[in-house]
Amino acid sequence: AQSVTQLGSHVSVSEGALVLLRCNYSSSVPPYLFWYVQYPNQGLQLLLKYTTGATLVKGINGFEAEFKKSETSFHLTKPSAHMSDAAEYFCAVSPSDQNFVFGPGTRLSVLP
Amino acid sequence: DGGITQSPKYLFRKEGQNVTLSCEQNLNHDAMYWYRQDPGQGLRLIYYSQIVNDFQKGDIAEGYSVSREKKESFPLTVTSAQKNPTAFYLCASRPNGQGSSPLHFGNGTRLTVT
Repeated sequence: AQSVTQLGSHVSVSEGALVLLRCNYSSSVPPYLFWYVQYPNQGLQLLLKYTTGATLVKGINGFEAEFKKSETSFHLTKPSAHMSDAAEYFCAVSPSDQNFVFGPGTRLSVLP
Repeated sequence: DGGITQSPKYLFRKEGQNVTLSCEQNLNHDAMYWYRQDPGQGLRLIYYSQIVNDFQKGDIAEGYSVSREKKESFPLTVTSAQKNPTAFYLCASRPNGQGSSPLHFGNGTRLTVT
């Protein structure tokens, strides 16, 4: 079965610093890949997705992610963190014949 | 605007009572899902439905029941058999059950059982 790992349950960065949230999946066949953001007591909002084509995907709020097949990774980055980026971030995969599989999430804190 | 509406936002119940969480979508999506979220455990799939009048168990279906009588609605009942029902419940939908289409989420219902 597919699994998704997110290294670091909690990541802290200073405002203006680079944000890097890691995601690795287990599959010999690349699935569809997604990043979601969740603010407290709210649902999940789609940040970006990779289906096919260009491996560097740009999303909302200045985030982007790069699909690396050889590393089975889909890390999320943002060049400069803003206080409003503080939230929980979930990586997810959607195998073509199965339901979504979510990672455990990474809570991002942004320090002033 | 199209979206998913979950109600109520907060729900409090006594142990031993069944409770039903509402989920309505006007996105014309075929597939609908219920997830449970606990701190540090990500999202776990309870039930899903890919078409009206049909639904399947997810990974943690015990103690829960659903119905799908209309395309727009997918209510979840948390029964007294659910041993630890206090959690944040999220409803989601997507155009169909497979492929590259993302899940769209409601804003959740926080259930507290005492």
